[in-house]
Amino acid sequence: DAKTTQPPSMDCAEGRAANLPCNHSTISGNEYVYWYRQIHSQGPQYIIHGLKNNETNEMASLIITEDRKSSTLILPHATLRDTAVYYCIVRVVAGGGSNYKLTFGKGTLLTVNP
Amino acid sequence: KAGVTQTPRYLIKTRGQQVTLSCSPISGHRSVSWYQQTPGQGLQFLFEYFSETQRNKGNFPGRFSGRQFSNSRSEMNVSTLELGDSALYLCASSLSPGVTEAFFGQGTRLTVV
Repeated sequence: DAKTTQPPSMDCAEGRAANLPCNHSTISGNEYVYWYRQIHSQGPQYIIHGLKNNETNEMASLIITEDRKSSTLILPHATLRDTAVYYCIVRVVAGGGSNYKLTFGKGTLLTVNP
Repeated sequence: KAGVTQTPRYLIKTRGQQVTLSCSPISGHRSVSWYQQTPGQGLQFLFEYFSETQRNKGNFPGRFSGRQFSNSRSEMNVSTLELGDSALYLCASSLSPGVTEAFFGQGTRLTVV
């Protein structure tokens, strides 16, 4: 799996958009970008994933650069409950081999302040 | 529908003992993966099971083992416990290997004294 680089921490004001960057310059053509988050003392929670097009769901938006070497997770209106460690992961999806494990880095601790 | 259930939630064991942790995946999910989380090493992949077969294994010693039953429930076992095995053990389930979304349980907090 390609390695990812994320800032160790970020702050965001409640109600504002949180933009979390991720660098994955060695990503392969068959690797997707995934985002998970982990709220303190809970299991990780899936947020969103994408290959090359921008994606949006009820939780967040994912913007992937045209060269796919970096991406940004956007939480449009951050709340205090969004305070968590956010992990950016790249991995293949079914059909790309048998190694489907999620390789977590250290992630970004997002703190949403009132 | 019910989420991923891990039991027990908390466990205290003594060095040298063994421990078995249980994971019940979401109904219909046939793939179960296990992860270890420690402050120093973060989240690390242990192994993955699908259709009662181990399909993938992380870089952990043979003291760590697991299995999956015909109903997709999974157990992991750690023998000859060491202090360094103290961690949060997380189980994740998905429909099948490689499916995009994995759902994690709340984890089992193991403390070895």
